[in-house]
Amino acid sequence: NAGVTQTPKFQVLKTGQSMTLQCAQDMNHNSMYWYRQDPGMGLRLIYYSASEGTTDKGEVPNGYNVSRLNKREFSLRLESAAPSQTSVYFCASSESLSGGYEQYFGPGTRLTVT
Amino acid sequence: AQTVTQSQPEMSVQEAETVTLSCTYDTSESDYYLFWYKQPPSRQMILVIRQEAYKQQNATENRFSVNFQKAAKSFSLKISDSQLGDAAMYFCAYRSGNAGGTSYGKLTFGQGTILTVHP
Repeated sequence: NAGVTQTPKFQVLKTGQSMTLQCAQDMNHNSMYWYRQDPGMGLRLIYYSASEGTTDKGEVPNGYNVSRLNKREFSLRLESAAPSQTSVYFCASSESLSGGYEQYFGPGTRLTVT
Repeated sequence: AQTVTQSQPEMSVQEAETVTLSCTYDTSESDYYLFWYKQPPSRQMILVIRQEAYKQQNATENRFSVNFQKAAKSFSLKISDSQLGDAAMYFCAYRSGNAGGTSYGKLTFGQGTILTVHP
């Protein structure tokens, strides 16, 4: 059982380049999330998808776009990368938005923007 | 908006001893959930323990237990019989249970506490 998978694991971009981070889950979960982790700040929510076909902004959405491709997949796109987007990105999924359900996290993507 | 504060950037403990990590939170909601996550050097986020706000009984999971003080908005994690494998960053997190609220379903994390375990 793979759980939540993310690709790539590492990426280096130049300022202004674009890229898409991929996330997939095989647990038949309805809700999916994208977080970023910066030193000393914990994880912050970028975007989330309560269910297939819906997406909503989280705490730090500027500079990002997302697509809930189907129930399994939730991608995060950086249209024009900036050094401030250097971070570790985590995808997560849960049965629903209800707090009683655990969020399962992927292994993370370390992104460096130079 | 809810906030979560972990006031201990780093803690250390001797193997087999007990350590307590602190967490406080701020919310005006009555329905919520609190979590402790562990992040070892591998970066994987692992759920350690969960507490429902409506439950008065403190949650326990083997060597891990919490001291949930709802009125004080405090949620500390106690690790008993510490093991070398417990060394990691620990995050406290809050999740709203208010289905009608804008924060519903979202995890709000504290800044984290790095735990070192000495042999």
